[in-house]
Amino acid sequence: DSGVTQTPKHLITATGQRVTLRCSPRSGDLSVYWYQQSLDQGLQFLIQYYNGEERAKGNILERFSAQQFPDLHSELNLSSLELGDSALYFCASSRLLQETQYFGPGTRLLVL
Amino acid sequence: QQQVKQSPQSLIVQKGGISIINCAYENTAFDYFPWYQQFPGKGPALLIAIRPDVSEKKEGRFTISFNKSAKQFSLHIMDSQPGDSATYFCAARHYNQGGKLIFGQGTELSVKP
Repeated sequence: DSGVTQTPKHLITATGQRVTLRCSPRSGDLSVYWYQQSLDQGLQFLIQYYNGEERAKGNILERFSAQQFPDLHSELNLSSLELGDSALYFCASSRLLQETQYFGPGTRLLVL
Repeated sequence: QQQVKQSPQSLIVQKGGISIINCAYENTAFDYFPWYQQFPGKGPALLIAIRPDVSEKKEGRFTISFNKSAKQFSLHIMDSQPGDSATYFCAARHYNQGGKLIFGQGTELSVKP
């Protein structure tokens, strides 16, 4: 158990809908990262927050957004969902920048 | 420039054998190279990591070999066990892009008893 928690574990929704994925980092970790894992794209970095501020952005679609709250938990919002958004979404955390990242168990999203 | 290429895509090894997975990169600004192990239905877990100023790092049965001039690094699993059957990802981190990891495509390892 990495100490990173993600909810929900599974999510089934329809195209055009909006969902929110939640991540609680390990105790004391200030940085949160979001990754998407799909069969064709592999593990892709989406976005990083550090102590509430956006720090780095990857190939994140405009339909996706994230934030990190004062208690350091983070949420990834996915809107206008498409079939191709079906994937595993992982959150990782690290104590500071440029430190070892610990991954959560992921949220499996299925868009029908 | 931001890619990490991993091979092979899949690997079958007999119990007790050596598993070798290779990765290559182009960007010389990468300064940290971790390997992650992922079991079905689980998140990736850090296995071992190396920095480019070191040519080899060993932790138990797992060894990373790093060739800075060739921009290649590899994971060796000695005395492979059925419990090692998982997907392995190499990754690289840029020295000043906040810590995001660039992952290889993954290698599905199957260790046969």
